[in-house]
Amino acid sequence: GAGVSQSPSNKVTEKGKDVELRCDPISGHTALYWYRQSLGQGLEFLIYFQGNSAPDKSGLPSDRFSAERTGGSVSTLTIQRTQQEDSAVYLCASKRGQGETGELFFGEGSRLTVL
Amino acid sequence: DAKTTQPNSMESNEEEPVHLPCNHSTISGTDYIHWYRQLPSQGPEYVIHGLTSNVNNRMASLAIAEDRKSSTLILHRATLRDAAVYYCILRGVLSNFGNEKLTFGTGTRLTIIP
Repeated sequence: GAGVSQSPSNKVTEKGKDVELRCDPISGHTALYWYRQSLGQGLEFLIYFQGNSAPDKSGLPSDRFSAERTGGSVSTLTIQRTQQEDSAVYLCASKRGQGETGELFFGEGSRLTVL
Repeated sequence: DAKTTQPNSMESNEEEPVHLPCNHSTISGTDYIHWYRQLPSQGPEYVIHGLTSNVNNRMASLAIAEDRKSSTLILHRATLRDAAVYYCILRGVLSNFGNEKLTFGTGTRLTIIP
């Protein structure tokens, strides 16, 4: 597609359930990022992929959070045993490759609400 | 990452130029200055970036102080669509994978007055 695609756009779940959020980066982009943004807050870095590897996962808030990327393309962010504080917009971004001048392209985000 | 400081909010009249400041007194010689903006209910979008020289593109201009301790994003003629949160971010030259992430601060919320 033309841009970064995320699904679902909205997800409401009950506390304790697992959720999966999907990101389809721009074709050919090797770098992929996950961020989250709580209501009225700035963006919080979660994890960065280069190809299928995640050299920086320093932002994952707990072991309930995991992410994978397969085929150097689609990525899935999984949150196990969701808690109310996990409610946020989860944003995915992709970039053509490594390098300091690369522009990040963001998706529209997946809004997660944990009841 | 070196830290940036921006005003929390600014207002500007429609069709006037807007100057959004950013201080980065601890910038290193290899840090690039990036600007992104986030319109309401959307993901951030790239605006412009630079290293030492001033930069222009179709969206904005970036003026970088000679000592690089501050920069200014210039919107030449603000429209209502420019109302957004503007983020000024420093990003170092890649030495390993650890420098790939962009660390977003709280940014400047720009309000455009019709």
